[in-house]
Formats: sequence, structure tokens, C-alpha cells
Amino acid sequence: QVQLVESGGGVVQPGKSLRLSCSVSGFVFRSYGMHWVRQTPGKGLEWVAVIWFDGTKTYYRDSVKGRFTISRDNSKNTLYLQMNSLRGEDTAVYFCARSAGSYVGPFDSWGQGTLVTVSP
Amino acid sequence: EIELTQSPATLSLSPGERATLSCRASQSVDKYLAWYQQRPGQAPRLLIYDTSNRATGIPGRFSGSGFGTRFTLTIDRLEPEDSAVYYCQQRNHWPPITFGQGTRLEIK
Repeated sequence: QVQLVESGGGVVQPGKSLRLSCSVSGFVFRSYGMHWVRQTPGKGLEWVAVIWFDGTKTYYRDSVKGRFTISRDNSKNTLYLQMNSLRGEDTAVYFCARSAGSYVGPFDSWGQGTLVTVSP
Repeated sequence: EIELTQSPATLSLSPGERATLSCRASQSVDKYLAWYQQRPGQAPRLLIYDTSNRATGIPGRFSGSGFGTRFTLTIDRLEPEDSAVYYCQQRNHWPPITFGQGTRLEIK
């Protein structure tokens, strides 16, 4: 069955970096667009970034543009989110999610999430 | 950025009743509106995509309707397991893809 498993979350100081990973199985990873979505109690669900099935296109929300980088390794069935210059407002549970299709479709499968806490 | 406003914020109903959840967009999102269910401690789960298409494995009790700026999720014959927060999402104008703030459904 389709599985997405995030890892890499933790506690990090403001201004530092963290890299999240999303390891997938049960489907042909290289055929699907992939997203990162985050969730905070105060702001609900917030889309972060998307990457095309082949990695040729990436898009970000404004608040993370220039600080976060989404990437993928189709040979390893793994999605990444490199987060630099972290801020307190980046504190959230981060989910990876699969697009229903190669580009931007509805999010038809989700991981269980990994918690990122940015704190001094 | 497209803003999605969900109402009501909380809905409390009994088993067997019908739930009607609304989502209003700040501008037209055509048919590209999805609904997700999130139970406590779990990831969101896709229920409905492109306004009215049920995702794989979603029972027929769940249905979606609407177009443009006004959308509805209807859940018939409520069951205790339907207790969750429901989010709408648009992908017509992006980035960013946006979500509503959620409706909490309580089955008492």
C-alpha cells in the first residue's frame, strides 16, 4: 500500500537549518508531484512547497521562498525539504503529501508528519 | 492569494443526522475545490476532489457540490467515526495552494 514516512524533525534554534526527509513506498514515486504542508494550532494547514514529478519545477509560498528548498531523489524514492534560516513561525508539524498526478493535483496520500520546533 | 472561509466553525450533531459544511472562496476557484478529513492525531485524508469526486475508498455518504466561490460538503447518516475537522482546499490559483480554517464536526 501507499506509504509516506517523514523524518528529520526536532528542536532547532532560530537561524539554524534542518533537513526533512519523506521516504515513500507502494507507488511509482517518479510519476507523481509531491508537496510539503505544515500545520500549526493557530494557523491550521498551510501549503509550503511543491515539486514536479521529475524535479524540473518547484514552487513555494512567499514566507519560505529563499529559505526552504524542496528536492527529490527519484532513485531513492525520497522527498526532501531543506530549511535554512529557521524562524519561530516555522514551528509546525510538517507533512509530505502526494499529488494525484505528475504536477499539482489533490493531495491523495499523506505522511504522518514530523514536528519541527524552532526555539532559542 | 485565494482566501477560503469555512462555516460553521463547529457543528454538533447526532448519529444518523446530516451534516452540511460550507466553504466560500474570495474569488472563483472554478471546480478545483477539495475536502479533507482530519481525525485527532492523524494526517488529513482526501475525501472529495474537484468539487464532487469521491476519493478512493470514501463511502457514498460523503458528497460535494458547488462551483466558483461557494461549495458544500454533505455527510449523510452521520456515524461516530465522522467526528473530525474538515478542511477545504483550492488549487485553481496558486501558488499558494490554500486551505480553509476548518470546521470541527462533533458527533454526540
